[in-house]
Amino acid sequence: EVQLVESGGGLVQPGGSLRLSCAASGFTFSSYEMNWVRQAPGKGLEWVSYISSSGSDIRYADSVRGRFTISRDNAKNSLYLQINSLRVEDTAVYYCARDSSGWSNWFDPWGQGTLVTVSS
Amino acid sequence: EIVMTQSPATLSVSPGERATLSCRASQSVITNLAWYQQKPGQAPRLLISGASTRATGIPARFSGSGSGTEFTLTISSLQSEDFAVYYCQQYNNWPLSFGQGTKLEIK
Repeated sequence: EVQLVESGGGLVQPGGSLRLSCAASGFTFSSYEMNWVRQAPGKGLEWVSYISSSGSDIRYADSVRGRFTISRDNAKNSLYLQINSLRVEDTAVYYCARDSSGWSNWFDPWGQGTLVTVSS
Repeated sequence: EIVMTQSPATLSVSPGERATLSCRASQSVITNLAWYQQKPGQAPRLLISGASTRATGIPARFSGSGSGTEFTLTISSLQSEDFAVYYCQQYNNWPLSFGQGTKLEIK
């Protein structure tokens, strides 16, 4: 069974940092591109970041570029999101999602999400 | 950036009836469009990719159509488990983008 399990969320003060992790299982992680998508409380979905299977191609939403860093460790079947200089508006559930890969970029499956709350 | 606009924001339909959800792109995305279903407290689930291809395990009552800038998700006969929020997503251009969602509620 393909499974993605996020961890690392929590309550952090504005300006703080967190590192989110996503543990993958049930598929050949090193063959797939991956993404982070977030959802603010009661709001819609926002794509955050993408990383290619090798890690050589990385993309970010404008809202997080320069503050967030996506990375992966294929030996550990893990995806990461380092989030720095956190703002109140970064409060959201953060999902990792497997990319369809190739020339398309839809998301299937998704993890259950990890909640990041930015508040003083 | 491609802006995705979904309508209506909320759709009230009775079980057994047909539901039609719309998604419009601010510029052509060809058929590079996906639909997702999200139930309260759950992660989104892929329904449709390539504008019209059902994902594995998705019932035939779900169908997608459209190309360019206008897309439709149709649920032919609503079941109780179909009441949820639906999102469209374009993957023709970076940054990837979602519509704001349509909430499908029981009438």
